[in-house]
Amino acid sequence: DIQMTQSPSSVSASVGDRVTITCRASQGIRSWLAWYQQKPGKAPKLLIFAASRLQSGVPSRFSGSGSGTDFTLTISSLQPEDFATYYCQQVNSFPFTFGPGTKVDIK
Amino acid sequence: EVQVVESGGDLVQPGRSLRLSCVASGFTFDDYAMQWVRQAPGKGLEWVSGISWNSSTIGYVDSVKGRFTISRDNAKNSLYLQMNGLRAEDTALYYCARAGRLKAFDIWGQGTMVTVSS
Repeated sequence: DIQMTQSPSSVSASVGDRVTITCRASQGIRSWLAWYQQKPGKAPKLLIFAASRLQSGVPSRFSGSGSGTDFTLTISSLQPEDFATYYCQQVNSFPFTFGPGTKVDIK
Repeated sequence: EVQVVESGGDLVQPGRSLRLSCVASGFTFDDYAMQWVRQAPGKGLEWVSGISWNSSTIGYVDSVKGRFTISRDNAKNSLYLQMNGLRAEDTALYYCARAGRLKAFDIWGQGTMVTVSS
């Protein structure tokens, strides 16, 4: 099975900050990676698919990059509504494992 | 409106069975693979099972293999998860999700809660 790791596990940031979250796969997954945002008590929301493609309706301050084993989610200018937990997920092969999550909270 | 709605969650004793359902609307159900994802209280997301549009490809996380069975009925726009031999560690909110463009999960339900406890 492919294991996913994320760093950091949590980050404290201020509105307007640039935030970068890293995701690493235990083996190559080409670009079969998605990023999700989850707020407390809510279902996850798809932000990025195929490593770098922005889901319709998602603000352009979110971007994704990477391929193979190393991936990055960047929020270029953090907004109040962006405080949440972010998960990466590989969809290269079953089981479609998620990373452990990165919590972004207010500094 | 494109949506999926889960049902069937309950409080059950260890070793018992439960069947979850997910009804889709607003899109052509049999164009898409479907998935189950769970989240234990206060924990992260865990992919549980997935099924292709025509049921020809099915996968499970190791911890549920041999106990859970995923299925779908395209005529009823419905996805199911038969859960047998339930354990305390299966306690979680179970989400149904659509696998959209390039397999990412683009539509999620609000989840149905399964609690396994004596």
